[in-house]
Amino acid sequence: QKEVEQNSGPLSVPEGAIASLNCTYSDRGSQSFFWYRQYSGKSPELIMSIYSNGDKEDGRFTAQLNKASQYVSLLIRDSQPSDSATYLCAVRLYGNNRLAFGKGNQVVVIP
Amino acid sequence: DAGVTQSPTHLIKTRGQQVTLRCSPISGHKSVSWYQQVLGQGPQFIFQYYEKEERGRGNFPDRFSARQFPNYSSELNVNALLLGDSALYLCASKRSRGANYGYTFGSGTRLTVV
Repeated sequence: QKEVEQNSGPLSVPEGAIASLNCTYSDRGSQSFFWYRQYSGKSPELIMSIYSNGDKEDGRFTAQLNKASQYVSLLIRDSQPSDSATYLCAVRLYGNNRLAFGKGNQVVVIP
Repeated sequence: DAGVTQSPTHLIKTRGQQVTLRCSPISGHKSVSWYQQVLGQGPQFIFQYYEKEERGRGNFPDRFSARQFPNYSSELNVNALLLGDSALYLCASKRSRGANYGYTFGSGTRLTVV
């Protein structure tokens, strides 16, 4: 089982719609979870971090964490063409300092 | 404040050569990590350094080595380059070892091995 899984294929959403991205993780002891946005040819940029069960909102982004189900999600409201990117889910593994990343989900916002 | 800076931005090397990549963390950040990202995949952890000591190592061969200097900058060395080492190499810094801090990535070094 992979440490972090993002299984959805490319996601196309109309401008103004909600984009929903999901991520599951295998390390039950993990406590810190992150979403990174990566534009083509660029490096990952941290957009959300979440540490407690529930929702965390920052502007148009909402991260949701359910530790019992080992599930993290990211919602992008009012999607804009500038949101077109690959979104990487990252989990800080329990007992060490490294991040485990999913392979990413590509989001395409269609004007 | 300047972000995480990496040099060089692009590099082309021949199989069997050696390469050194450099990273300067954000001012005040003492933790530096290195990741390798191949096309279409998420970054893979290579090393983490904190206060000049190695604090973690990923599943990479001994051809990969790194160090951190007193000013918290870091170098990643890769010996005997293989075609499969072609990737984007990312450096990330973090304020401390504490759990509740996100990592900030530099712009990366794109290494091509021919």
